[in-house]
Amino acid sequence: SAVISQKPSRDICQRGTSLTIQCQVDSQVTMMFWYRQQPGQSLTLIATANQGSEATYESGFVIDKFPISRPNLTFSTLTVSNMSPEDSSIYLCSVLDSRTSYEQYFGPGTRLTVT
Amino acid sequence: KQEVTQIPAALSVPEGENLVLNCSFTDSAIYNLQWFRQDPGKGLTSLLLIQSSQREQTSGRLNASLDKSSGRSTLYIAASQPGDSATYLCAVRPGDSNYQLIWGAGTKLIIKP
Repeated sequence: SAVISQKPSRDICQRGTSLTIQCQVDSQVTMMFWYRQQPGQSLTLIATANQGSEATYESGFVIDKFPISRPNLTFSTLTVSNMSPEDSSIYLCSVLDSRTSYEQYFGPGTRLTVT
Repeated sequence: KQEVTQIPAALSVPEGENLVLNCSFTDSAIYNLQWFRQDPGKGLTSLLLIQSSQREQTSGRLNASLDKSSGRSTLYIAASQPGDSATYLCAVRPGDSNYQLIWGAGTKLIIKP
């Protein structure tokens, strides 16, 4: 199994600012995902970040608002830009073990509150 | 289009009871199905993964079954404990090349001491 850490675990930010969330995995993985979970809702996929290629964004999410970096097989960042209160959510990093079982693992999440 | 439904949305039972959480999906062409647990404000913990060729998986007090033909999976929790209180999510990975998980809305479980 993969162990995933995220920084920060939580933050309170002002409207109009940006926050970069870091995701570190303890093993090399090809497929990495970023999800958002708004209060009381299920998970929504923001983008898929594969090393060596541009991130693929889901409908409703754009690179200018959620730029993603994937510099190597164990690390990724998601930036939430020009934040508004509607961006208040839990942001989750996730990886897929595509070598064996196609089991998906999640980080502990970053709880973002925008005031 | 694959859709995943979890019933009930919420469940409250006394400690010590055995219970079953249900997950149904509309397209039987799945690659695998995964059950997760989420504590409030936290990330997701993978509980059990069932491949499309399997009928069930067990881990401790948890047993998950899969019936592709009827589009159903169940998560059985034996001898429930207050620490089992959490939201349980079912997610299906489609059988095509799309790697995205399709999520149920979850069952919020409360175990009363």
